[in-house]
Amino acid sequence: EVQLVESGGGLVQPGGSLRLSCSASGFNFNTYWMSWVRQAPGKGLQWVAKIKEDGSEKYYVDSVKGRFTISRDNAKNSMFLQMNSLRVEDTAVYYCARDWTLPFFDYWGQGILVSVSS
Amino acid sequence: EIVMTQSPATLSVSLGERATLSCRASQTIGSNVAWYQQRPGQAPRLLIYGESIRATGIPARFSGSGSGTEFTLTISSLQSEDFAVYYCQHFDNWPPWTFGQGTKVEIK
Repeated sequence: EVQLVESGGGLVQPGGSLRLSCSASGFNFNTYWMSWVRQAPGKGLQWVAKIKEDGSEKYYVDSVKGRFTISRDNAKNSMFLQMNSLRVEDTAVYYCARDWTLPFFDYWGQGILVSVSS
Repeated sequence: EIVMTQSPATLSVSLGERATLSCRASQTIGSNVAWYQQRPGQAPRLLIYGESIRATGIPARFSGSGSGTEFTLTISSLQSEDFAVYYCQHFDNWPPWTFGQGTKVEIK
């Protein structure tokens, strides 16, 4: 059974940093692209970042470029999102998601809340 | 950036009735659309992708259609567990891979 479990969320002040983790199991992690997708409170879904199977390609939505960094450790079946210079508008539930062979998402984690507030 | 626009924002439907949800892309994207269901307090779930291919475990009452810029998700006979928010998403070649703003299906 495919499982994705996020951790590392919480409350942080504007300008602060946070590192999210996604632990994967039930599939060959090193053969899938992976993504982070977020959802602000009461709002819709927004794709945030994507990383290739071997970490050699990374893509970001414009609003997080230069502030967020996606990475992965295939030996530990884990993906990460380093979030720096956090803004109030980054407040959201962040989902870890597995990409199918095309860039849509066939499995999702339960999500982790990141709150940016003073 | 490709903008995905869903309509209506809210759809009121009775149990057993048919629901038709629309999604429009700001430029042509072939059949590169996916549909997701999100129940309250839960993560999204993949329903349909491409030319109406149902994801694993998705009932046959869910179907998708369309190509180019106009897409439709149809639920043939609404069940109680289908009341949720539905999102479309394009998966064309280049980022960002954007979602529509969602259609909430509620009980009439």
